[in-house]
Amino acid sequence: DSGVTQTPKHLITATGQRVTLRCSPRSGDLSVYWYQQSLDQGLQFLIQYYNGEERAKGNILERFSAQQFPDLHSELNLSSLELGDSALYFCASSKPGQGALYGYTFGSGTRLTVV
Amino acid sequence: DQQVKQNSPSLSVQEGRISILNCDYTNSMFDYFLWYKKYPAEGPTFLISISSIKDKNEDGRFTVFLNKSAKHLSLHIVPSQPGDSAVYFCAASGLARQLTFGSGTQLTVLP
Repeated sequence: DSGVTQTPKHLITATGQRVTLRCSPRSGDLSVYWYQQSLDQGLQFLIQYYNGEERAKGNILERFSAQQFPDLHSELNLSSLELGDSALYFCASSKPGQGALYGYTFGSGTRLTVV
Repeated sequence: DQQVKQNSPSLSVQEGRISILNCDYTNSMFDYFLWYKKYPAEGPTFLISISSIKDKNEDGRFTVFLNKSAKHLSLHIVPSQPGDSAVYFCAASGLARQLTFGSGTQLTVLP
């Protein structure tokens, strides 16, 4: 158990629908990162939050949004889903100043299948 | 535009031998480099890192080498064990401090 909790583990939904993925970071970690891993692809950075504030955006579609709540858990909202959104979505967290050298701690991911 | 590239999707090595995984990057502003290991149905796990001011970092059986002039890093695993079979991702961090990942290399260590 990495200490980063992601729910649900699996999600199957239809095109056009909206889903919410949830992440609880490791205790003491203020930063939360969301990554997408499509089939045979590396991890693509989507968005970062630090202590409730959006810190950086990567290749995140306009149909996707995220937020980090006062208790530091984060949610990634995916709307108007398309078949191509099927992927593994990972959440990761890190302590202030430690991400670069000590890496992030990843959750086990949510596998989203859009049918 | 892939800033971090792992050109070998897979690698097979005999148990006890050395595994060498390679990674190339294009962004000269990257100053930290990391390797992650990923087993199926699990998230990536941090393995080892190196700062750009060093050219080598060692941790047990794992050694990372950085060649800044060539924009190349490699991970050496000696000796390789069957439990090392996993997907290995290299990642790089720059001023923005987000990690940019390569596409991964599937390592298979044969008994």
